[in-house]
Amino acid sequence: QVQLQESGPGLVKPSGTLSLTCAVSGGSISSSNWWSWVRQPPGKGLEWIGEIYHSGSTNYNPSLKSRVTISVDKSKNQFSLKLSSVTAADTAVYYCARRLGAYPPVYGMDVWGQGTTVTVSS
Amino acid sequence: QSALTQPASVSGSPGQSITISCTGTSSDVGGYNYVSWYQQHPGKAPKLMIYDVTNRPSGVSNRFSGSKSGNTASLTISGLQAEDEADYYCSSYTSSSTLVFGGGTKVTVL
Repeated sequence: QVQLQESGPGLVKPSGTLSLTCAVSGGSISSSNWWSWVRQPPGKGLEWIGEIYHSGSTNYNPSLKSRVTISVDKSKNQFSLKLSSVTAADTAVYYCARRLGAYPPVYGMDVWGQGTTVTVSS
Repeated sequence: QSALTQPASVSGSPGQSITISCTGTSSDVGGYNYVSWYQQHPGKAPKLMIYDVTNRPSGVSNRFSGSKSGNTASLTISGLQAEDEADYYCSSYTSSSTLVFGGGTKVTVL
């Protein structure tokens, strides 16, 4: 049973860089899945940030693309999110998730982390 | 990319059926059979209910079903139960190889 666990600082200063890691357990990050980041500002809806395949291929939300980097560390079975130049608008619960299938593609995220709250404030 | 359009709220009595719509464009919902639906209870992570328009993951009740017509996808919950009260989000693949969510629908069981 694959499980995901987010970790990282809960408080980031404005203009700084938000860095989070998602540890994958019970399965391999090199499986035929894409690995995603999704966020949810307080009281608002879900926003897709981007995804990565174990080969390093990525897809990003165009509205965040200039500030986002998603990377994978196969040796540690984890993937990471970096979001630069953060403002208060980046305050949210950040989730990591697994997309069901890569090739052929399947679009549904079936495993989610419990989420981690990141606040941008000085 | 613009968020998909969902009604803010839908309500129904126990045992009834309700349908939540999710409207996009030919560049997302209408162009691909890659719509998924998520249920989210307060303070919890989203749960996948439907993927690729009509498919239910193992363990999801068959009271939940998905469909699509043109640029609008729909989630139907039949035999509404108190535990179905939650927020529901649709999501679609887009022509830019990205994903986009809907704004979310709050389902209330009267």
